[in-house]
Amino acid sequence: TQLLEQSPQFLSIQEGENLTVYCNSSSVFSSLQWYRQEPGEGPVLLVTVVTGGEVKKLKRLTFQFGDARKDSSLHITAAQPGDTGLYLCAGSNNAGNMLTFGGGTRLMVKP
Amino acid sequence: GAGVSQSPSNKVTEKGKDVELRCDPISGHTALYWYRQSLGQGLEFLIYFQGNSAPDKSGLPSDRFSAERTGGSVSTLTIQRTQQEDSAVYLCASSPSRQVNTEAFFGQGTRLTVV
Repeated sequence: TQLLEQSPQFLSIQEGENLTVYCNSSSVFSSLQWYRQEPGEGPVLLVTVVTGGEVKKLKRLTFQFGDARKDSSLHITAAQPGDTGLYLCAGSNNAGNMLTFGGGTRLMVKP
Repeated sequence: GAGVSQSPSNKVTEKGKDVELRCDPISGHTALYWYRQSLGQGLEFLIYFQGNSAPDKSGLPSDRFSAERTGGSVSTLTIQRTQQEDSAVYLCASSPSRQVNTEAFFGQGTRLTVV
């Protein structure tokens, strides 16, 4: 079983602060995805990273895939209250068969 | 419909009763997942269907849980003799292919409360 550990589990910050969320595993993943979930909704895909060392930017969000494809990070610059939610990373194995989710990071951005 | 549809959206049941949760995936999606999410927690994998292959049932927590997928489309998750610890949101997701970076599309979930 491939496990993904996310840290921190909970994060409460003030609007305008920067933050980084980590997703780590001892296993190699062929790709890694980040999802965001709002209350009462299912998770929605933010980004997919495929290549080791890859960096993708989505407005104030920067995603990085580790060189060894075992870990990833999500950095948010100048967080906004609208960024509040549960952030989940999910890894896919070489056969692309199954998504394994991390435990999530619950982010609260206070105005 | 355009997205993954789950029903019912909410279910309250008495301890010991059986429940069935339904998932209608996006048409043409070959992969279907069931996850369980307890309050404030991440996603716990339950079962995975991919096309006509045997499902991966490794996440089912006990033999009270079972799932089937008829005709490669609609899936039903059945929980027998429900217990209070079964209370959670049950999420279904589908994805279009076996490709490495395929996105999973989620339904809004079924909130199950066992009283």
